[in-house]
Amino acid sequence: GENVEQHPSTLSVQEGDSAVIKCTYSDSASNYFPWYKQELGKRPQLIIDIRSNVGEKKDQRIAVTLNKTAKHFSLHITETQPEDSAVYFCAASKGSGYALNFGKGTSLLVTP
Amino acid sequence: EADIYQTPRYLVIGTGKKITLECSQTMGHDKMYWYQQDPGMELHLIHYSYGVNSTEKGDLSSESTVSRIRTEHFPLTLESARPSHTSQYLCASRVQTGQETQYFGPGTRLLVL
Repeated sequence: GENVEQHPSTLSVQEGDSAVIKCTYSDSASNYFPWYKQELGKRPQLIIDIRSNVGEKKDQRIAVTLNKTAKHFSLHITETQPEDSAVYFCAASKGSGYALNFGKGTSLLVTP
Repeated sequence: EADIYQTPRYLVIGTGKKITLECSQTMGHDKMYWYQQDPGMELHLIHYSYGVNSTEKGDLSSESTVSRIRTEHFPLTLESARPSHTSQYLCASRVQTGQETQYFGPGTRLLVL
């Protein structure tokens, strides 16, 4: 089955710096790659997603890039703020007929 | 308002008790999922359903069972709770075709004494 690896497991940055979280996947048939943010005590919430026919997608300070050949995708957060502190999960699936396979999560801490 | 609802939000129960965690969604989604997650840690898929009368076990072995008699309702049952079942349980749902966004419920925090 699909295996999604996520790095790093923890990341600490200063406010205003950029943060990058990377994920690799094993199944070349995967074509949907969402990113979820989970704040302390809250439910995971989708922040951005990308499909395999697109190489990059941006939404304000958040961007995701996908390299299908290398089977990896990354989340980029620019101008980080303390409220960006959370656990971030990447996931991959072969489409809506398949379950999402999640990475193990990255705990991001943004210090003022 | 379209959302996923879970009850109870918190539960403290003694070993050996039978418990049912409720999950309902008002979005008409076909697919529903149960995850087990220790706070801030990995999401483990324990059960899923692709429609009424369809249930499957997930990647993580679980002593729980599920049922899907109605589209909107996907309860999870533990016949005999143990301290090792202490965790957070998250329900999620997703539409069958087209939009692939998966939505999570607020979770149930379970403590088994």
